[in-house]
Amino acid sequence: AQSVSQHNHHVILSEAASLELGCNYSYGGTVNLFWYVQYPGQHLQLLLKYFSGDPLVKGIKGFEAEFIKSKFSFNLRKPSVQWSDTAEYFCAVRGGSQGNLIFGKGTKLSVKP
Amino acid sequence: DAGVIQSPRHEVTEMGQEVTLRCKPISGHDYLFWYRQTMMRGLELLIYFNNNVPIDDSGMPEDRFSAKMPNASFSTLKIQPSEPRDSAVYFCASSLYRGSNQPQHFGDGTRLSIL
Repeated sequence: AQSVSQHNHHVILSEAASLELGCNYSYGGTVNLFWYVQYPGQHLQLLLKYFSGDPLVKGIKGFEAEFIKSKFSFNLRKPSVQWSDTAEYFCAVRGGSQGNLIFGKGTKLSVKP
Repeated sequence: DAGVIQSPRHEVTEMGQEVTLRCKPISGHDYLFWYRQTMMRGLELLIYFNNNVPIDDSGMPEDRFSAKMPNASFSTLKIQPSEPRDSAVYFCASSLYRGSNQPQHFGDGTRLSIL
């Protein structure tokens, strides 16, 4: 069965610090990978997605993620976080021809001004 | 373009009452998903539909929960009777299946409080 692991439950950073959130998945075939962000009190919004091609994917608001197939990983990065990046971040995978996404449990990011 | 539309945005009701949550997916999307989000359990997939047909309802917690999709533009999630532990934010999402690289688009959610 597919699964997604997000290693950190809660990350606390100061503004301008660099961010890396881990995401590992288990699925042996072709995958599509997604990162969603949920700002406090809001719905999930797509940050970026990978489905083929360049494994380094750039998303909105300066976020990027790198797909490393050999490590089954899709870590999210941002070189310099802002207070407004305070949110919960969800990694998700869709394997093969399935219609649904498998979501990780989320990582809460708190950025101190 | 209109996104996924959910109603009501907030619902407060007493335990034992029937609750109906509504969702209008993005026009043309052929997948619809219902999720529940709580602090304790995080984001849980309850059920999803493809072309109005339920595909996987293994996440539906109990028989008190039921979901329908009578047509491509409308779905309901019903809880009868409701209990305090059903309090959560319920999200509806839709997506277009085209080679499986399409993301899900989420509605604003219904914040449900059962007293």
